[in-house]
Amino acid sequence: EDQVTQSPEALRLQEGESSSLNCSYTVSGLRGLFWYRQDPGKGPEFLFTLYSAGEEKEKERLKATLTKKESFLHITAPKPEDSATYLCAVQAVYSGGGADGLTFGKGTHLIIQP
Amino acid sequence: DSGVTQTPKHLITATGQRVTLRCSPRSGDLSVYWYQQSLDQGLQFLIQYYNGEERAKGNILERFSAQQFPDLHSELNLSSLELGDSALYFCASSVGGRGAEAFFGQGTRLTVV
Repeated sequence: EDQVTQSPEALRLQEGESSSLNCSYTVSGLRGLFWYRQDPGKGPEFLFTLYSAGEEKEKERLKATLTKKESFLHITAPKPEDSATYLCAVQAVYSGGGADGLTFGKGTHLIIQP
Repeated sequence: DSGVTQTPKHLITATGQRVTLRCSPRSGDLSVYWYQQSLDQGLQFLIQYYNGEERAKGNILERFSAQQFPDLHSELNLSSLELGDSALYFCASSVGGRGAEAFFGQGTRLTVV
């Protein structure tokens, strides 16, 4: 069974204080690892897809990296508007059913204080 | 705005009832996914349709069913509702399926009383 564990569950930072969120995964074969941002009461907003170990992607203050067992979302000099829940999900390679659905972690609730 | 439209935004209904949630995918997307989000379980994959046909099932109860119509919109039917079915239900769409990033709608908040 595919598993995704995110840590920490919650993180409070001061504006400008850089940090990293962790996503550990167990999957039979990884097709892709996805990062989403979710604001309260809203749908998840797509951020990144990573496909292979060593891959990195950046968008504004966010940078996602991938190894064979985990992914990190690095947040550099965050601003209050970066406050949200960040979700990590994996899509596995299957020969049978459930091929395309994502398995999500429970997320990291990030608060950036001014 | 992701381009995925879900209706209604909120739904309150009684136990034992049946409801239908509707999703219009982004223009050009062939895959539609349904997810359930509750406080204790997080986001759970329910079912996927691709170009009108069921492609994959996740943790979907037998009381729940879905379909995708020729115009690619999808409906999720929930029947014999229980209090525990109260949750946010999200629809997502992608161009293809495997490896393609999915874009989520704003969700339908279902409350069963």
